[in-house]
Amino acid sequence: GAGVSQTPSNKVTEKGKYVELRCDPISGHTALYWYRQSLGQGPEFLIYFQGTGAADDSGLPNDRFFAVRPEGSVSTLKIQRTERGDSAVYLCASSLSGGATEQFFGPGTRLTVL
Amino acid sequence: AQSVTQLDSQVPVFEEAPVELRCNYSSSVSVYLFWYVQYPNQGLQLLLKYLSGSTLVKGINGFEAEFNKSQTSFHLRKPSVHISDTAEYFCAVSLTGNQFYFGTGTSLTVIP
Repeated sequence: GAGVSQTPSNKVTEKGKYVELRCDPISGHTALYWYRQSLGQGPEFLIYFQGTGAADDSGLPNDRFFAVRPEGSVSTLKIQRTERGDSAVYLCASSLSGGATEQFFGPGTRLTVL
Repeated sequence: AQSVTQLDSQVPVFEEAPVELRCNYSSSVSVYLFWYVQYPNQGLQLLLKYLSGSTLVKGINGFEAEFNKSQTSFHLRKPSVHISDTAEYFCAVSLTGNQFYFGTGTSLTVIP
């Protein structure tokens, strides 16, 4: 079956603009994670959804970042008033039930803020 | 907060030689431990994980890792590497299975 998909694959925006990044998890996976990966770093946890609710959003860096998963499937990461420091690859992962079950990662969205 | 240290940012090794990629974590309580691999132009893929029980964990592609609680380490090993093992390897730790903390990665280059 299809894996985790993310759109767009690349996004270039200007400082101060608003962006939305989309994640389509594997069908049937109840858990969904967002990570941010800067150059030369490992993935940095942002937020974890179990179903429709954000079970843990403690990794969101500030209130410019917000994520939703209204129907328990597709998720959108929203970044307001983008800053150059937001430039990174944003990764999405899903797992069957959360916890220590295997996470399947998408290819990521490369965000560049000019 | 948990943290993960991968001491070696780059590891070159000749084909068919053994390799060990080091990972240390900071936690005073029980954690889940993982190794992920990222091949060039691909997403991260789980290699193996330790949840509990036997401290020696076997994963895909001939890799294994040993959990050492006293040294808070989870080093990854392979007795004989192949060219296709060239990739970025990430160690990760989770306390609850909600938040996952990743190391900065080790770039393994297998030399023919």
